[in-house]
Amino acid sequence: DQQVKQNSPSLSVQEGRISILNCDYTNSMFDYFLWYKKYPAEGPTFLISISSIKDKNEDGRFTVFLNKSAKHLSLHIVPSQPGDSAVYFCAASEGGAQKLVFGQGTRLTINP
Amino acid sequence: DVKVTQSSRYLVKRTGEKVFLECVQDMDHENMFWYRQDPGLGLRLIYFSYDVKMKEKGDIPEGYSVSREKKERFSLILESASTNQTSMYLCASSLGWDPEQFFGPGTRLTVL
Repeated sequence: DQQVKQNSPSLSVQEGRISILNCDYTNSMFDYFLWYKKYPAEGPTFLISISSIKDKNEDGRFTVFLNKSAKHLSLHIVPSQPGDSAVYFCAASEGGAQKLVFGQGTRLTINP
Repeated sequence: DVKVTQSSRYLVKRTGEKVFLECVQDMDHENMFWYRQDPGLGLRLIYFSYDVKMKEKGDIPEGYSVSREKKERFSLILESASTNQTSMYLCASSLGWDPEQFFGPGTRLTVL
């Protein structure tokens, strides 16, 4: 059973516009969420996170929104740049557990 | 900066061979993880370890074993490699109860 789902395998956005990546989860015990970015032939790198006590966290061009009632989070990138082209994974953890549960990933392509 | 290194970037093995994938981290992290990444399936946890000589099964442990004899090193073993174990293998580490994991560059394993 996929507890964390990214239903869009790919997304294409024009440079300078906003990119919105979505993630849904089913486990209401998840209390911390992370986004990772992965380039080909490299390991994922941490991008931004949010605790369940917040509904928004911002870091430069990146903002994560959390809607607990809908069990949904989204990553907004604005403005989008060519270097943002990568695969983005959302991940969730439950109550201090060391494990993360990852979604399937969304491949973001930024077109010039 | 945390550094997680993996012994090989690319590996080609024959069906039935015993395969060792090594991972080393240099930041004294307690937790270490092995994932495999396959298209459309995201990152799936194979095994993790929260202390030396401790190990826990992840979501897909079948066909794999692990070893953690020293805090900084976590090895993934494929006892008898099969073609369905062709994948990208990613090692990660994290500190205590901090959910953020740091990833190595990955090993692309091909089993012929």
